Amino acid sequence: EVQLLESGGGLVQPGGSLRLSCAASGFTFSSFAMSWVRQAPGKGLEWVSGISGSGANTYYADSVRGRFTVSRDNSKGTLYLQMNSLRAEDTAVYYCAKDTSAVVASWSDGLDVWGQGTTVTVSS
Amino acid sequence: EIVLTQSPGTLSLSPGERATLSCRASQSVSSNYLAWYQQKPGQAPRLLIYGASSRATGIPDRFSGSGSGTDFTLTISRLEPEDFAVYYCHQYGISLYTFGQGTKLEIK
Repeated sequence: EVQLLESGGGLVQPGGSLRLSCAASGFTFSSFAMSWVRQAPGKGLEWVSGISGSGANTYYADSVRGRFTVSRDNSKGTLYLQMNSLRAEDTAVYYCAKDTSAVVASWSDGLDVWGQGTTVTVSS
Repeated sequence: EIVLTQSPGTLSLSPGERATLSCRASQSVSSNYLAWYQQKPGQAPRLLIYGASSRATGIPDRFSGSGSGTDFTLTISRLEPEDFAVYYCHQYGISLYTFGQGTKLEIK
């Protein structure tokens, strides 16, 4: 069964850091690009970051560029999101999602598998 | 960045009725790389439609997608009780992916 399991969420003070992880199983992890998508309380979905299957190419929303870093360890089947300089507006449920292509925005059929999410709360 | 605007914000219908949801892009979506997702409270989004009109695996045929360029539509032909949820469109044609703000489909 194809599965994604996020972890690493929690309560952090403004200006602090947090690293999220997403453990993948049931598919060849390195063959697919991955994305992080977040959802603030009561709000819609916001794409945060994407990374190609090889890890060579990374992409960020303007709202997080320069503060967040996406990476992956294909030998461990795990996706990461390092979040620095956190702000109150970063409070959200963070989902990892599997792309249907190895390359972001190319030959893709959308984000077909999602984890259940991990909650990040930025507050003093 | 491609901005996606969904309408209406809320749609109130009864089971058995037809639902039509709209998604308009601020510029043409490359290769019709437009998807639709369904999200129920407390759950992750579920992929319904990709490539503007292709149903994802296991999605009932009452769900259909259409459109091209900047205007896209999700149609649910006959609403079932489990279809009442929030629906999002998503463009993945450029490397800065974006989502629409969502349409809430509620029971009338």
